[in-house]
Amino acid sequence: DVKVTQSSRYLVKRTGEKVFLECVQDMDHENMFWYRQDPGLGLRLIYFSYDVKMKEKGDIPEGYSVSREKKERFSLILESASTNQTSMYLCASSDGGTSGNTIYFGEGSWLTVV
Amino acid sequence: AQTVTQSQPEMSVQEAETVTLSCTYDTSESDYYLFWYKQPPSRQMILVIRQEAYKQQNATENRFSVNFQKAAKSFSLKISDSQLGDAAMYFCAYRGNYGGSQGNLIFGKGTKLSVKP
Repeated sequence: DVKVTQSSRYLVKRTGEKVFLECVQDMDHENMFWYRQDPGLGLRLIYFSYDVKMKEKGDIPEGYSVSREKKERFSLILESASTNQTSMYLCASSDGGTSGNTIYFGEGSWLTVV
Repeated sequence: AQTVTQSQPEMSVQEAETVTLSCTYDTSESDYYLFWYKQPPSRQMILVIRQEAYKQQNATENRFSVNFQKAAKSFSLKISDSQLGDAAMYFCAYRGNYGGSQGNLIFGKGTKLSVKP
């Protein structure tokens, strides 16, 4: 089975802290994604990456950056956490090629910024 | 830009009954994919069913089936013989056929399904 692992399920951080959310997939997928999920808003794409060291902005990239130094790992960085970044963050990955390929999700990381 | 609309924030069904969740989408593309994802309380998003736009035949997966109406841009999910384990948030999603470098999923806002014993 494909496994997408997010390193932390629950985090509490202070305003202004630098926050790293880590994601690892074990299926050699080219594409990796970071989504944010908020009640009533569904899932919104923050960033995605289609290859090592390649990244593209999604719908809501402001306040976030990403890093993909190795194919299996995709990190989301909050340079200076703010309370409006309190949310559920979901990492996902998929094979390249056709867009019909399934996107597999991790279990999510709940981030609270106080 | 593509959009996905789920007009039912919440639905309820009696165990063993059938329920249909609605989804409409807007796109100018002719080739794309549609998905239904399930998110139980554990928060793990699970693919329920996938439909290729170029296929006229509606996809089915055991108790789950879709009614895909391409001209109407409608993609509803039917759950037959509902079980308590079907209780979850259900998300409809669209993915354009961009090829390997893109193809992001665009999600609706979700429908919360409750199953009554």
